[in-house]
Amino acid sequence: ETGVTQSPTHLIKTRGQQVTLRCSSQSGHNTVSWYQQALGQGPQFIFQYYREEENGRGNFPPRFSGLQFPNYSSELNVNALELDDSALYLCASSLQGTNEKLFFGSGTQLSVL
Amino acid sequence: EDKVVQSPLSLVVHEGDTVTLNCSYEVTNFRSLLWYKQEKKAPTFLFMLTSSGIEKKSGRLSSILDKKELFSILNITATQTGDSAVYLCAVGTDGGATNKLIFGTGTLLAVQP
Repeated sequence: ETGVTQSPTHLIKTRGQQVTLRCSSQSGHNTVSWYQQALGQGPQFIFQYYREEENGRGNFPPRFSGLQFPNYSSELNVNALELDDSALYLCASSLQGTNEKLFFGSGTQLSVL
Repeated sequence: EDKVVQSPLSLVVHEGDTVTLNCSYEVTNFRSLLWYKQEKKAPTFLFMLTSSGIEKKSGRLSSILDKKELFSILNITATQTGDSAVYLCAVGTDGGATNKLIFGTGTLLAVQP
């Protein structure tokens, strides 16, 4: 158990809809990163939040957006869902400025029909 | 473009066997290489390597990094059925988002009784 919790665990949406995924970071961790893991692939970096601001982004379109709250928890929002957005979405928490040793949650499995 | 390549993609062994998993990388501004184990959803941290030639060990697992040849190996001795999982290799780089990791596609290990 890493202490990182994500909700919901599973979600089914239809194309064009919007979705919000939530993450509570491990106690004491001030940085949250989000990753997308398609079936049979490794996780891909979406973005990272530190001090409630995005401070790094991968190759994902603007319809992927996020928030970080004062308690370091975070949300990932995806607008105008596409079939290819179907994936496991992983949240990871860490301490900024330390190293890349990330602690992952169990993810949200998103299916877009 | 930064990339991390793992081999083999999948592997089936019997309990008691020794396995070696490979990870090669081509990235700019290498900082660290990490190994994660993913059994169901949440990747769990195994090792982080930053220096060449220094073996990291944890029980039956060990790993080493070669920064000249740009690869790492993960060894598992006396395998058990509980070692069955996807093993992910990831590289952290300097610059941009501090905690961004670039993952390989993983090696699926199946240990048969």
